[in-house]
Amino acid sequence: QKEVEQNSGPLSVPEGAIASLNCTYSDRGSQSFFWYRQYSGKSPELIMSIYSNGDKEDGRFTAQLNKASQYVSLLIRDSQPSDSATYLCAVRETGFQKLVFGTGTRLLVSP
Amino acid sequence: NAGVMQNPRHLVRRRGQEARLRCSPMKGHSHVYWYRQLPEEGLKFMVYLQKENIIDESGMPKERFSAEFPKEGPSILRIQQVVRGDSAAYFCASSVGGLYQETQYFGPGTRLLVL
Repeated sequence: QKEVEQNSGPLSVPEGAIASLNCTYSDRGSQSFFWYRQYSGKSPELIMSIYSNGDKEDGRFTAQLNKASQYVSLLIRDSQPSDSATYLCAVRETGFQKLVFGTGTRLLVSP
Repeated sequence: NAGVMQNPRHLVRRRGQEARLRCSPMKGHSHVYWYRQLPEEGLKFMVYLQKENIIDESGMPKERFSAEFPKEGPSILRIQQVVRGDSAAYFCASSVGGLYQETQYFGPGTRLLVL
């Protein structure tokens, strides 16, 4: 059973700070990685996708991928209280279309 | 430009009844995925379908659960003889195709409560 691991948190940061969310995965052949944000009682919303080693930036969000270390992270710059949510790391298994999700990291941004 | 649609949004059933959950993918999407999220747990894959075909059902419980995606109409996730442990949020996602870079977009979910 392929696994995706995340620290459940909560991760507490003050408004304006950088939030760093981390994820490790067990399937070395995985090629597709996704970060979703989920507010309480709502559905997952795609934040970022990343497929190649290195950094990918989109506004205040930066995804980082290191396939050798089987590690993917999400940085949120200038964190806002509205960023308070659970962040789900998802990995597409090699040869399959299904996504394997971590249990999510709860982020709390205090004003 | 409607997104993924699911209905009902909330469903209450008594033990032993049947639950039918519906999912209409985004316009232009022909691939549908069902995931289940138990309280305080992560999303778990259940089944992946294309029109009239089940491609991957490795996450479906062996009994009581079935899924279909007919040529016309929404995808249906059917749970027979529901038990309290079936209480969860059921999310449908869709994608344009099945390539490894395809993004899955999620619907609002159906919250099933079994009394």
